[in-house]
Amino acid sequence: QSALTQPASVSGSPGQSITISCTGTSSDIGLYNYVSWYQQHPGKAPKLMIYHVSSRPSGVSDRFSASKSGNTASLTISGLQAEDEADYFCSSYTRTLWVFGGGTKLTVL
Amino acid sequence: EVPLVESGGGLVQPGGSLRLSCAASGFTFSTYWMHWVRQAPGKGLVWVSRINSDGSSASYADSVKGRFTISRDNAKNSLYLQMNSLRAEDTAVYYCGGNSDYRFDPWGQGTLVTVSS
Repeated sequence: QSALTQPASVSGSPGQSITISCTGTSSDIGLYNYVSWYQQHPGKAPKLMIYHVSSRPSGVSDRFSASKSGNTASLTISGLQAEDEADYFCSSYTRTLWVFGGGTKLTVL
Repeated sequence: EVPLVESGGGLVQPGGSLRLSCAASGFTFSTYWMHWVRQAPGKGLVWVSRINSDGSSASYADSVKGRFTISRDNAKNSLYLQMNSLRAEDTAVYYCGGNSDYRFDPWGQGTLVTVSS
């Protein structure tokens, strides 16, 4: 049950785009299309941003998009805004269990 | 209305026990698989356990297997986590989360468990 691998931090200026990667294995990301992404502001509960690799729940901005290739999933945020500054976690289903990434801190410069 | 509200956290000595509760409202609790996810201070999210919609099946992370027990009462719209033989490394904010169609939503606000002498 190893955690998925994410970069510890990424940064970008307002209006720019950034991409956060999430690397797993052939037993989780590589095997299932059940990758989801969560946004977490300090002291708050996580919020679902992406599910089933690339689907957005209603109410989530279309500036958030995601994809998967092999064992790696990616989250892209375009047109960065100050309120996007938060921690982002990926998650994947894996054979009756679940695994999360270590989290990526996004800083909007 | 907050869909999930956790309670029961607190300070406990190593080797002690604690029972967390999670009260659900505003959605059809009995149709959701429910999970506990924890977050140590300054760290990432870690999946702990899940239970299926009717309570007949559960799974656990290796780190808590044999020490933690997840359960639910659909009549009371409530989820529970019995934690025994607690260790310092169990210190974390514990979130309950609903999972339908392989996505965690909704989430609770979390309850802090501190294991320390």
